[in-house]
Amino acid sequence: EPEVTQTPSHQVTQMGQEVILRCVPISNHLYFYWYRQILGQKVEFLVSFYNNEISEKSEIFDDQFSVERPDGSNFTLKIRSTKLEDSAMYFCASHGQGVYSSYEQYFGPGTRLTVT
Amino acid sequence: GDSVTQMEGPVTLSEEAFLTINCTYTATGYPSLFWYVQYPGEGLQLLLKATKADDKGSNKGFEATYRKETTSFHLEKGSVQVSDSAVYFCALLADSWGKFQFGAGTQVVVTP
Repeated sequence: EPEVTQTPSHQVTQMGQEVILRCVPISNHLYFYWYRQILGQKVEFLVSFYNNEISEKSEIFDDQFSVERPDGSNFTLKIRSTKLEDSAMYFCASHGQGVYSSYEQYFGPGTRLTVT
Repeated sequence: GDSVTQMEGPVTLSEEAFLTINCTYTATGYPSLFWYVQYPGEGLQLLLKATKADDKGSNKGFEATYRKETTSFHLEKGSVQVSDSAVYFCALLADSWGKFQFGAGTQVVVTP
């Protein structure tokens, strides 16, 4: 069965450093998402991406965050200058095109980011 | 805005016990409702869904009914197994498109 993969599984970084979280969505999918879950809290939407541009972003997704699809397979989330409160599990998701395709969002296993 | 509230865990129960995880939602439109499951070290997997009021989603022995009158989508399973140990997330999709609104997740631990 196709799956979304994410690397690394765990990233530890110091406050103020830049991090890039990587995702490989399912190959024929066209819509990509990042979500995050701070420990003990809800899974929150960060950003959606389609046709090489951001289609929607939450208020969490400020200027410190950016997303990119640098090639035909990777989808990355960059945090320019990490803060302690960025510590969370980050999930990537993707789905195909078509009516109700959102129902079949496939999620990766997550990257746990720890900012010290 | 739209939101989902689910019961806190962990929920610990013995094999073959009955499982209920409560989920209620707040939405301005007519959302679709979902349960996702996360097994250790894996991604979120769609468990079941219901797209309109009174629909019942079911999969792998789990069921949930979309109750508009109580704004609820409680997950149930009649006889759990150790392999059902996981974190369960209730979620809604507003207007059948785009981003999910998730609950905080409920950890379920099933002991032999």
